[in-house]
Amino acid sequence: GDSVTQMEGPVTLSEEAFLTINCTYTATGYPSLFWYVQYPGEGLQLLLKATKADDKGSNKGFEATYRKETTSFHLEKGSVQVSDSAVYFCAATGNQFYFGTGTSLTVIP
Amino acid sequence: GAVVSQHPSWVICKSGTSVKIECRSLDFQATTMFWYRQFPKQSLMLMATSNEGSKATYEQGVEKDKFLINHASLTLSTLTVTSAHPEDSSFYICSAHKGGAPNTEAFFGQGTRLTVV
Repeated sequence: GDSVTQMEGPVTLSEEAFLTINCTYTATGYPSLFWYVQYPGEGLQLLLKATKADDKGSNKGFEATYRKETTSFHLEKGSVQVSDSAVYFCAATGNQFYFGTGTSLTVIP
Repeated sequence: GAVVSQHPSWVICKSGTSVKIECRSLDFQATTMFWYRQFPKQSLMLMATSNEGSKATYEQGVEKDKFLINHASLTLSTLTVTSAHPEDSSFYICSAHKGGAPNTEAFFGQGTRLTVV
């Protein structure tokens, strides 16, 4: 069945380090792909999305490219900040909405 | 983007009482809304799909008599935790999709932290 697999955390990085959080999906057809971010005690906010192959979603310095050949949508940021500390969820649409398990990121000064 | 508002953001209640959580789509109509539960440091667990004008669809293992869902209008769904117990303490989140299609972008409420004492 359809599913999303994302890199398990927690991830701890120093400020200005490079971030990659891996995400792969299994879905029938051509799903849309999303990254959501959840700050402590809050709901989920859309970070970025891509709706077709080779699309690149970007927002707040984060990027992810829809790779159909590898069924991946890895999240990257070149230089993380303390304020990026949060839980990141990869998600895909198939016949419903599928979430990854979430990756907790802590950025230390 | 679309806005989904959830209320209250936190609530503390006594064991045995009931608590109602509201989820509103503020600038679009949502024929379908979704209720999730999130345990500390875990992912979201889909509890049920709320359908406007009809019964909710519950996921396996979720007690429908414990978690009552009502979707009386195109912009409002409510989740009532009945006879709450400490094990019901959790973070509850709702979401809605524009146009109701579950395979499109989801917009989330702010979440409700329920603590049962």
